[in-house]
Amino acid sequence: AQKVTQAQTEISVVEKEDVTLDCVYETRDTTYYLFWYKQPPSGELVFLIRRNSFDEQNEISGRYSWNFQKSTSSFNFTITASQVVDSAVYFCALSEKNSGNTPLVFGKGTRLSVIA
Amino acid sequence: KAGVTQTPRYLIKTRGQQVTLSCSPISGHRSVSWYQQTPGQGLQFLFEYFSETQRNKGNFPGRFSGRQFSNSRSEMNVSTLELGDSALYLCASSRDTASNEKLFFGSGTQLSVL
Repeated sequence: AQKVTQAQTEISVVEKEDVTLDCVYETRDTTYYLFWYKQPPSGELVFLIRRNSFDEQNEISGRYSWNFQKSTSSFNFTITASQVVDSAVYFCALSEKNSGNTPLVFGKGTRLSVIA
Repeated sequence: KAGVTQTPRYLIKTRGQQVTLSCSPISGHRSVSWYQQTPGQGLQFLFEYFSETQRNKGNFPGRFSGRQFSNSRSEMNVSTLELGDSALYLCASSRDTASNEKLFFGSGTQLSVL
């Protein structure tokens, strides 16, 4: 069965520091999708990125970057030069395609606090 | 373009009562998924509806049910409420099947069961 582990429950950094949020996943499928979502205090989850299992290229979007490594089943998320507005709970999620379009399974989330 | 709208935003009920939550997806989106979020269990999938049909169902008791209307709006119902049902209920919509697509979430309904 699919599983997502975010070992870091809470992280606190000082503004402008870089921070990496870890995500390790488990799946038996060869085709799957990985996601990151951000949940600010307002409650709604905001989509950040989707990556399919065949695309191991790293992604950079502004201050955000993602490192996907199938060899270690990890999909880590790095925020460079963190800002107070980055404070939120971040979720990694996985869905399997071979098993019939299973719903997203989320990790427990990492609460990031960026202190000014 | 309006986002996903969930009503009500807050709800207080007592044990044994039933509750109905509503979700209006983004225009043109045919899939609506529901998630329960609690501090202990995190985000847990309840069900997904696509074109008025339940496509997937999570591991929740039969007290949790849902439906989708022809305009893609969805409702979920919880009967015989228990204290453990207190949670943030999030609805998400997508153009196609939720498993592959970017999901757009509402702000949720915070349900408190006393």
